[in-house]
Amino acid sequence: KAGVTQTPRYLIKTRGQQVTLSCSPISGHRSVSWYQQTPGQGLQFLFEYFSETQRNKGNFPGRFSGRQFSNSRSEMNVSTLELGDSALYLCASSLKSGGTEQFFGPGTRLTVL
Amino acid sequence: GQQLNQSPQSMFIQEGEDVSMNCTSSSIFNTWLWYKQDPGEGPVLLIALYKAGELTSNGRLTAQFGITRKDSFLNISASIPSDVGIYFCAGPGNRDDKIIFGKGTRLHILP
Repeated sequence: KAGVTQTPRYLIKTRGQQVTLSCSPISGHRSVSWYQQTPGQGLQFLFEYFSETQRNKGNFPGRFSGRQFSNSRSEMNVSTLELGDSALYLCASSLKSGGTEQFFGPGTRLTVL
Repeated sequence: GQQLNQSPQSMFIQEGEDVSMNCTSSSIFNTWLWYKQDPGEGPVLLIALYKAGELTSNGRLTAQFGITRKDSFLNISASIPSDVGIYFCAGPGNRDDKIIFGKGTRLHILP
């Protein structure tokens, strides 16, 4: 069974630009959660999507958004990038909404210059 | 909001030693999760605990769900080089299902 895949693995952008990251969950998993990981703040929850609906949201500004498609693939978008958005963005999939046994992808390393 | 405090922040041990790390919270958690993250990878779930007092093993790893439901520990026996990485405790918040992560314990193994 293929694991969670994320594309791209690395990305360099400049301030003010926008970026879209993609996540394909494990086959059969319908829940996708997104996290931001930084050295200072650790792993912080961004949002969770289940059956194309945002089920839960963390404390991030509206510049961070996401969506989920009918095949459970998910994208997250960050608009008007700031230097502080540089981080590892991880997605995790699970069978059910709010599932505690989450399987993480390798992450997308975003650097904002 | 709810927080998970992990200690120690980092550990330097000799190969073959046993390791113990823990995670505490000021509020109750109903599930405790332990993850390991290798450099350049996403976290991998090691052990999930669902009942207060539960003791669960996964190979050389043993984790316990504290009786008060406010703490958990993870032990690694006879450490090997591939145990190097960051260990996170995590659990779903009480008000919603958002998974909250501790800041991690970074394990270093000296040759």
